[in-house]
Amino acid sequence: GAVVSQHPSWVICKSGTSVKIECRSLDFQATTMFWYRQFPKQSLMLMATSNEGSKATYEQGVEKDKFLINHASLTLSTLTVTSAHPEDSSFYICSEVAGDGDTQYFGPGTRLTVL
Amino acid sequence: GNSVTQMEGPVTLSEEAFLTINCTYTATGYPSLFWYVQYPGEGLQLLLKATKADDKGSNKGFEATYRKETTSFHLEKGSVQVSDSAVYFCALIRDSWGKLQFGAGTQVVVTP
Repeated sequence: GAVVSQHPSWVICKSGTSVKIECRSLDFQATTMFWYRQFPKQSLMLMATSNEGSKATYEQGVEKDKFLINHASLTLSTLTVTSAHPEDSSFYICSEVAGDGDTQYFGPGTRLTVL
Repeated sequence: GNSVTQMEGPVTLSEEAFLTINCTYTATGYPSLFWYVQYPGEGLQLLLKATKADDKGSNKGFEATYRKETTSFHLEKGSVQVSDSAVYFCALIRDSWGKLQFGAGTQVVVTP
């Protein structure tokens, strides 16, 4: 299957700072990537759909000015958590849709802790 | 709308026991169905999938059959190992963009 990497794997930051998380498709050109967040012992919540060369589309209830998504190339999407607060602490996971248009391949996730 | 319902965990089993995780869904039409597995501290890995009714997905000893009559996609494994300890998510495709609708996840703990 496709290989997706995320960087960093974990990050700790102070409240009020911004954090950028990268999601890279290592062996596939992904026109669409998804960003999820996951709270402990819970399922994944879709935050937004990242489309190469266009604006991301956000799920209802997700603040687009707080969670900035940039999909600048077919292999890279970034999520920036702006002015992070402790309630933003979570596990953030990206995924890409494989060529069959069906299967998603997930990155290993980034654990964000905001102090 | 679409929804996925999984049995609640945790499910605790002894090694070599039989595992079943129930998954039922509601959806318009017949979407592709998936099982993903998440090991501690990691992202999700595709375990298996089925794209149409009566298809059987299988991988690593796990199996699941797409049953449209019962709108189910139960996951089974005949003999679990300690290394199968993880959280298992049932999911379906919810739109043409490929967005997934996940179940709540079922934690499986296999003891030696």
